[in-house]
Amino acid sequence: EVQLVESGGGLVKPGGSLRLSCAASGFTFNRYDFSWVRQAPGKGLEWVSSIDTRGAYIYYADSVRGRFTMSRDNARDSLYLEMNSLRVEDTATYYCTRGTWFDPWGQGTLVTVSS
Amino acid sequence: QSALTQPPSVSGSPGQSVTISCTGTSSDIGSYKRVSWYQQSPGTAPKLMIYEVTNRPSGVPDRFSGSKSGITASLTISGLQAEDEADYYCSSFTTSNTYVFGSGTRVTVL
Repeated sequence: EVQLVESGGGLVKPGGSLRLSCAASGFTFNRYDFSWVRQAPGKGLEWVSSIDTRGAYIYYADSVRGRFTMSRDNARDSLYLEMNSLRVEDTATYYCTRGTWFDPWGQGTLVTVSS
Repeated sequence: QSALTQPPSVSGSPGQSVTISCTGTSSDIGSYKRVSWYQQSPGTAPKLMIYEVTNRPSGVPDRFSGSKSGITASLTISGLQAEDEADYYCSSFTTSNTYVFGSGTRVTVL
């Protein structure tokens, strides 16, 4: 079964840092690009970042560029999102998703930025 | 990058058809066939319903169809069913090598 499982969310103060992980299984991980997409409570979807198969090309939304770093470890079938200088407006459920067509999605991990 | 424009809500009776529009710009929908649609029910992760403007993944009912004209993409649900009640989002690749989502549309089955 193709599966993506996010972890690492939690409560953090403004200005703090957090590292999200996404563990993949059920398919050949190194053949796919991946993305992070977030959803603030009660709001719509927002694309955050994408990475190519080798981690050579990484793209970011303007809202997170310079603060977030996406990476991958093909030996561990895992994705990461390092989030620094977190802001209240970064509060959201963060999903990892596979490929050009964002399919499938993980169950999401909630990040809450609050003092 | 501003969100693609979708109507906040559409509704229809069972068996009817509804169409959701998704308007972008020449830098996203107008430039690529990389348009997709997602269904999200409350408390769950989004699910891919349409990819590359018109294609349905395996397992998605054929009452879901997609199209595109210029800078506007559309999702049509024909023969609306109660289980189709959900939020729907469009998405497009952009000329900046980024992605953008639509603002989302709530589909209500009357």
